Amino acid sequence: DVKVTQSSRYLVKRTGEKVFLECVQDMDHENMFWYRQDPGLGLRLIYFSYDVKMKEKGDIPEGYSVSREKKERFSLILESASTNQTSMYLCASSEYTEAFFGQGTRLTVV
Amino acid sequence: AQSVTQPDIHITVSEGASLELRCNYSYGATPYLFWYVQSPGQGLQLLLKYFSGDTLVQGIKGFEAEFKRSQSSFNLRKPSVHWSDAAEYFCAVGVSSNDYKLSFGAGTTVTVRA
Repeated sequence: DVKVTQSSRYLVKRTGEKVFLECVQDMDHENMFWYRQDPGLGLRLIYFSYDVKMKEKGDIPEGYSVSREKKERFSLILESASTNQTSMYLCASSEYTEAFFGQGTRLTVV
Repeated sequence: AQSVTQPDIHITVSEGASLELRCNYSYGATPYLFWYVQSPGQGLQLLLKYFSGDTLVQGIKGFEAEFKRSQSSFNLRKPSVHWSDAAEYFCAVGVSSNDYKLSFGAGTTVTVRA
C-alpha cells in the first residue's frame, strides 16, 4: 500500500511563528502536492513538485513556501503564520494522475 | 482552466436506500475524473476514476459512477447505503495523464440515518 505520512495530526501555533508541515511518501513517486481544505471550498492546491528541487505554485501560494530536498519528503512552510491560515492541510503524492493522500494536519493559528 | 461543481452540500439518506451524488465539470477536452471519500478524521481515499472507455465505472465499497459527456457530469451512485458510508465525498478533475494536478469540488457531506 502507498503510504503518505504527515508528521502531525494537530498543531497549534501562534501568530507570526514559522511553521513547518512535513510529509513523507514511501512509493518513490515523483509528484507531490500540498492542498488546503476548508469547509465549503473543497481542496485548493498550494504548491506542487514534480521532481526533487523543483517546485511550482498552485492556486493559493501566498504566505506559503515549500522545500523538497529529497524525493520522498515535501515540506510546507508558513513563513509567518496568520489566523487565516487556520485550516486542514493535506499532502499527496501521485503517479498516472492518481493521488494518494495523507491523513491531514489540522493547524490552528492563535 | 478546469473546474468542478458539486451542487449538493449535504445529503441525508436512510440506511439501505440508494444514493446519488452529483458532479459537474467544466473542461474543453476529455477530462480525467475521480471520486474521493473522506471519513471523519481521515485523509482522502480514492473510490473510482474515469480516464477513457466504458462510461460506467465501478469502484470500491459498491460505488459506481457514470460519465456523461453531453451533460458534463460524473455522478456517483450506490444502490444500498450502509451506515459506514457517512462521510464527505469529493469529485475531482485532472486534465491529462501528464498533468498531475487535480481540481476539486467543494464536497458533499452524506449523513446516514438508521
